[in-house]
Amino acid sequence: SQTIHQWPATLVQPVGSPLSLECTVEGTSNPNLYWYRQAAGRGLQLLFYSVGIGQISSEVPQNLSASRPQDRQFILSSKKLLLSDSGFYLCACRTGSPLHFGNGTRLTVT
Amino acid sequence: RKEVEQDPGPFNVPEGATVAFNCTYSNSASQSFFWYRQDCRKEPKLLMSVYSSGNEDGRFTAQLNRASQYISLLIRDSKLSDSATYLCVAYGGATNKLIFGTGTLLAVQP
Repeated sequence: SQTIHQWPATLVQPVGSPLSLECTVEGTSNPNLYWYRQAAGRGLQLLFYSVGIGQISSEVPQNLSASRPQDRQFILSSKKLLLSDSGFYLCACRTGSPLHFGNGTRLTVT
Repeated sequence: RKEVEQDPGPFNVPEGATVAFNCTYSNSASQSFFWYRQDCRKEPKLLMSVYSSGNEDGRFTAQLNRASQYISLLIRDSKLSDSATYLCVAYGGATNKLIFGTGTLLAVQP
């Protein structure tokens, strides 16, 4: 079965600093990969999804970007964090089955 | 209008009670539906898929009404451990996106 690795689990960053969150998947190939964000007390917001290497679809215009340099690697980045970027970031994977999530990264921008 | 809507609750029920959640979706092209469970500060985990004919898994029953565009989750004989947020998910159409509702909070009390 597939395993999704996300790190770090918790991150505190100052406003204006860069961000890089990495997600890797094991146990499957050619997955659809997703980045979601969940702000405190709110629902899951789809940020990016990818159906293959180098293929990224953006759902929400913002200061975040995503890349998929390898089949099972998905990276979320920002050049300059905003306070509103705080939240719970979840990487998810889907290969013909329901979505499975990584453990998430809780980001606090101060 | 949100693509997937849920009553946020909270639903406060005593142990042993039966509780039902409803969820409506706006995209008639949605093909697949799921219920996820999310514990506080954790990632969502798949509870069950929802099939057109309805399906049951132990104390949990899920149903789909395509004509009215809603799905439901019934929990019988509630346990304290059922306390969580329940997320409704619709997958549909020409995109590879899964759209989450904002979740319904269930609190089972002794």
